[in-house]
Formats: sequence, structure tokens, C-alpha cells
Amino acid sequence: GQQLNQSPQSMFIQEGEDVSMNCTSSSIFNTWLWYKQDPGEGPVLLIALYKAGELTSNGRLTAQFGITRKDSFLNISASIPSDVGIYFCAGHENSGGSNYKLTFGKGTLLTVNP
Amino acid sequence: EPEVTQTPSHQVTQMGQEVILRCVPISNHLYFYWYRQILGQKVEFLVSFYNNEISEKSEIFDDQFSVERPDGSNFTLKIRSTKLEDSAMYFCASKTSTGGYGYTFGSGTRLTVV
Repeated sequence: GQQLNQSPQSMFIQEGEDVSMNCTSSSIFNTWLWYKQDPGEGPVLLIALYKAGELTSNGRLTAQFGITRKDSFLNISASIPSDVGIYFCAGHENSGGSNYKLTFGKGTLLTVNP
Repeated sequence: EPEVTQTPSHQVTQMGQEVILRCVPISNHLYFYWYRQILGQKVEFLVSFYNNEISEKSEIFDDQFSVERPDGSNFTLKIRSTKLEDSAMYFCASKTSTGGYGYTFGSGTRLTVV
């Protein structure tokens, strides 16, 4: 199946620092999404991107859909302790159909030291 | 805010036993999914369900797995004869019929096969 390469695997940062993580794919995706997962919970959608080059913000979070349609990044500015969690990229390859199946990256574990 | 509800939150079962994981998707959603996450790994697609039938399934979703939407509100995943490697967190998700891929995940059922 399709693989998404997400990096870094983990990050340890100080409160207030900015964070950047990214995902790449060997094939074209027409949708990129970023999710956050807290321990014992399901993934929660942070940002969805639908067009190549699109740059979208959600509070302190900003994500971009790469112009090649094979990559995306997520930035978190001025991190706070509650940003701790696992961040997953996810993508959808096909242009429609009735399944909307997502492929997930392996996640970035973010730890924020107060 | 509407939620996807999953029960039980944790299930322990003997190898070879049948288990049924239950989900109540958001009421006006039409697309339903099961994903699983082995401890420390990425979230993996199992199956999508639309219009009362499976629209896509992964190679993980073999003959031991089945899904049902028995009564218009519940969506169940059955594993007929559990194996040790079925131990994972199982997430149900649902999506509205309108555009976008940001579906809503439940909090998951942790299945432990002993």
C-alpha cells in the first residue's frame, strides 16, 4: 500500500519554541490532513488541505500542501504544554469514489517541557 | 459537539474467541470506517462502509473480520476467531456526505488478545 514518510519521529522542545514536522509521499495525494492524538483517544482533525500550494492556519498551527502534491508540513508556533501528543499526517490519493480512505504517517511524538 | 461513541473502551479476550466491537457514528453521517492502531504504530485502514455495503477493505480485513450496520444507528466490527496479533486499538470513524475528508474518530476500543 501507499506509504507516507513522516519526520521527525519525536521532538523534545521547550515551551515557547516553534515546531515543524513534515510528510512526504512517493505518489501524488489530492488531500492532506493533520491529526493530533492524545493518549487513549482517537485522532482529532487539526487542519485539512485540498489544493496544491494551499497554506491554512488554525490558531497557532499552520499547514501547507506542497506544490508537487507529494508533501505537506505542519508548523506549531509558540508551543505550550498542552501541545504534547502524537501528530499524524494523513492523505487521500484518489479523486473521489465512495470510500475516502486515508493513509496515515507513522506520527511525530511531541514533548513540550514547561 | 457530536461524537462517535465506541464500546467497550477495553476488551480482553482469549485467543480463538469471537469479539464484537461496537460503534455509534454521528447520526447524519453516511460513511463509516474502522481503523486500527497497534501499540506505538501508525493508524491503519481496515474497512469503509457506505450505502449498506463495504466500499473498500484492506488486506488486513480478511475472512475473520466482518462489519454490520444492523439497525441504522450502530456499526459493528466482528472478529470471528481472534489471534494474538489482533491486539490493537480499534477506531471507528464516520463522515458526512458533503465534501471533505476530515471524518470524526471515536475514542477507540483497546482489544487485548491473550
